[in-house]
Amino acid sequence: KQEVTQIPAALSVPEGENLVLNCSFTDSAIYNLQWFRQDPGKGLTSLLLIQSSQREQTSGRLNASLDKSSGRSTLYIAASQPGDSATYLCAVTPRGAGGTSYGKLTFGQGTILTVHP
Amino acid sequence: DTEVTQTPKHLVMGMTNKKSLKCEQHMGHRAMYWYKQKAKKPPELMFVYSYEKLSINESVPSRFSPECPNSSLLNLHLHALQPEDSALYLCASSRTDRRDEQYFGPGTRLTVT
Repeated sequence: KQEVTQIPAALSVPEGENLVLNCSFTDSAIYNLQWFRQDPGKGLTSLLLIQSSQREQTSGRLNASLDKSSGRSTLYIAASQPGDSATYLCAVTPRGAGGTSYGKLTFGQGTILTVHP
Repeated sequence: DTEVTQTPKHLVMGMTNKKSLKCEQHMGHRAMYWYKQKAKKPPELMFVYSYEKLSINESVPSRFSPECPNSSLLNLHLHALQPEDSALYLCASSRTDRRDEQYFGPGTRLTVT
């Protein structure tokens, strides 16, 4: 059974710091990995999607890497801002037998990020 | 436009009520999803619709009844809910149900009294 772990559970940094969020998964048989952010009481905002054949994706100050063989992904946030404060979730789409896992995201527990001025 | 809309934003219902949640997208996506999220937990998948057909039901109790009237709309009919069903209900969509990016709506905050 696929399990996704995110470390650390919470992180507090001063504004302007570069930071890294970690995500690990137990089964390398995945279609893709997606990073989301969630503000309190709100829906999820998709940040980056990395297909299993890709090594990294970039969007603005965000860079996500994927090492499928070791079951790890990192989300790098450059020059953090107070507006980056949110919960960050990673999720994988497992490659199940017979296509039964299509669309079934498996989420980590999230990292709560606080960026203080 | 990558918007998924959900109505209502908030819903309070008694255990004997019948209500419905609505989700809509106009991105031409052919896969739509319902998730349930409890406080401080990640979302849990409930249902997946692919090309308007139910493809995954994660053993959800029958008091939750999904419906996909067309490729843009997804409903979740609620009946005889329990207080423990109180949660944030999230809808998502993706181009297909295979390795595509999922886009989430803002959610409906449901309270069962």
